[in-house]
Amino acid sequence: EAQLVESGGGLVQPGGSLRLSCTASGFTFSSYWMHWVRQAPGKGLVWVSRINSDGSTTSYADSVKDRFTISRDNAKNTLYLQMNSLRAEDTAVYYCLADGLYWGQGTLVTVSS
Amino acid sequence: QSALTQPASVSGSPGQSITISCTGTSSDVGGYNDVSWYQQHPGKAPKLMIYNVSNRPSGVSNRFSGSKSGNTASLTISGLQAEDEADYYCCSYTSSSTFVFGTGTKVTVL
Repeated sequence: EAQLVESGGGLVQPGGSLRLSCTASGFTFSSYWMHWVRQAPGKGLVWVSRINSDGSTTSYADSVKDRFTISRDNAKNTLYLQMNSLRAEDTAVYYCLADGLYWGQGTLVTVSS
Repeated sequence: QSALTQPASVSGSPGQSITISCTGTSSDVGGYNDVSWYQQHPGKAPKLMIYNVSNRPSGVSNRFSGSKSGNTASLTISGLQAEDEADYYCCSYTSSSTFVFGTGTKVTVL
C-alpha cells in the first residue's frame, strides 16, 4: 500500500526556519513528480512547490519563491521542503503528494511569536 | 496566480446529479488538459477523483465524471450519495509551470 508520511512541522517564530520531510513507501518514489500543498486552518488548498522525478527541475508559487526550497533524495525515498524567513501567513497544514495520486496525512506548521 | 473560481456551495438530494464548475483562464484551465479534481472530507487528506480533465483513478466510482469547455472545467457527480458530502477542489497546470487550485466547493447532500 502506498504511503507518504510527513514530519518536521511545529511552532516557529516569524523569521525562523523549518525543514519538512516526507518519507514514501509502497510505490516507486523515484518515478513520481512530487509536490507540496498547504492548507491554512479553515481555508482551501494552495499549491506550494513541485520537483520532477530526478530532482533536476523545480517550481514554486510566487508566495514562497526565494524562501522555500524543495528537494528529494531518491535513495532514501524522501522529499524535503526547506522553509526560511517564515511568516505568519505560512501557518498551515503541509501535505506532500505524488503526482496528486498519493497524499500524506499532513504536518502542521505554526508561525507565531 | 489567482485561484480558479468555484461556487462556494452546491447541494442536491440523494440520487440526483450535481455539477461543480471551475473557471480559469487561457493560461491555465483553457490552455492545458492537466486539470484534476480532489475530494476532501473534514479532517482528512484530499483524494484524487479525476485527472487529465476526465480520467478516473482506479477505485474511484464511475458516478464521478469530468469535462472541460474553454476556460471552464466541470465535475459531475451522478446518483448523489450521503458519502459524497465533502469539499471539492479543482487544480490546473499553468503557463508559468506552476499549479493553481480552485477556491473549493462544499457539496451538501440534502
